[in-house]
Amino acid sequence: SQTIHQWPATLVQPVGSPLSLECTVEGTSNPNLYWYRQAAGRGLQLLFYSVGIGQISSEVPQNLSASRPQDRQFILSSKKLLLSDSGFYLCAWKTGQGVEAFFGQGTRLTVV
Amino acid sequence: GQSLEQPSEVTAVEGAIVQINCTYQTSGFYGLSWYQQHDGGAPTFLSYNALDGLEETGRFSSFLSRSDSYGYLLLQELQMKDSASYFCAVPTGGFKTIFGAGTRLFVKA
Repeated sequence: SQTIHQWPATLVQPVGSPLSLECTVEGTSNPNLYWYRQAAGRGLQLLFYSVGIGQISSEVPQNLSASRPQDRQFILSSKKLLLSDSGFYLCAWKTGQGVEAFFGQGTRLTVV
Repeated sequence: GQSLEQPSEVTAVEGAIVQINCTYQTSGFYGLSWYQQHDGGAPTFLSYNALDGLEETGRFSSFLSRSDSYGYLLLQELQMKDSASYFCAVPTGGFKTIFGAGTRLFVKA
């Protein structure tokens, strides 16, 4: 069966510090991978998606970046965090043109 | 561009029926999905409508009218555990899924 792992679950980082959030998917090959951000009580904003190794599409210009070094690994990074980067970050995967997105448990990031 | 509109909050009584509406505006439409998210948790997939009409899955049903660019999620026999946020979403012709802002459902005893 397919599983998605996302860590850490919570993170408190000072302004200006770097960020690295990791997501891995098991039990499927060549998944489409996604990073979403959710502000408190709000919807899901698509940040990045990837349809293959090294292929990253950015939806929102900001100080975040994403990388996909392996087929089942998706990393969200920042060199210098801003207060506005606080939020709930969710990794998700889908198969090809599949309809259903499967989400990880999320990382709650607080920038202080 | 794409946009989805849904009410921000809905309140209903345990055992009742509640309908959560969603109107969408998309360049190219393939279907409407619904997700449930409990506080602090991950969204989970509930249903998908590609064609007009009603799809039923247990206590939950989802409806789509492509001509009206409208859909709704119907929850019957409400239970306290149904208190959550519900998102409508549209998969695009590419590889993305765009989500609405979500409707927070409060179920009262």
